[in-house]
Amino acid sequence: SAVISQKPSRDICQRGTSLTIQCQVDSQVTMMFWYRQQPGQSLTLIATANQGSEATYESGFVIDKFPISRPNLTFSTLTVSNMSPEDSSIYLCSVVTGGISGNTIYFGEGSWLTVV
Amino acid sequence: GNSVTQMEGPVTLSEEAFLTINCTYTATGYPSLFWYVQYPGEGLQLLLKATKADDKGSNKGFEATYRKETTSFHLEKGSVQVSDSAVYFCALSGSWGKFQFGAGTQVVVTP
Repeated sequence: SAVISQKPSRDICQRGTSLTIQCQVDSQVTMMFWYRQQPGQSLTLIATANQGSEATYESGFVIDKFPISRPNLTFSTLTVSNMSPEDSSIYLCSVVTGGISGNTIYFGEGSWLTVV
Repeated sequence: GNSVTQMEGPVTLSEEAFLTINCTYTATGYPSLFWYVQYPGEGLQLLLKATKADDKGSNKGFEATYRKETTSFHLEKGSVQVSDSAVYFCALSGSWGKFQFGAGTQVVVTP
């Protein structure tokens, strides 16, 4: 398993501002992913953040809006830029670890953002 | 592509009732299947998983069996408690570490 810490855990943000979410993992992992969970919805993958390469974004998400850094194997950041109320969501950092029993995804506690 | 379909909620039960949450999937290859639980105000936690056909995952009194013939992974618990009130997500593992999640099923257990 993996222990994942996210900061901030919650924040209220002003429209038009940007916020950077930090994700720290207790072990070195290759695959890290950022998800968004809008109120009452399921999880939507924003991007894959693998160390040593640029983040890969899913359809509907762009680097200008959600820039991601992955400086090493235990840390990543996601920035939500120029926020609007539609960005009010839980942002979840996750890692995938594998082994004989296959891949499993583990999540941080999430960063609960409200944009006003 | 891969997809997961789970029953809509909310599911409202009395304490000690039997819980079933249906989950079916569409996938290429042989994915692993998972149930995650999200308690109010928290992130997602792994509840149980199964990696191949006929495997049974179990944890905290919950069980689910990987049924390849019916492409299902239904979650069951024989006697729910108020503390089981949460949103439950069925998921499958895909290629390149990408997971597919169901829409989530909210479970409300009343005393």
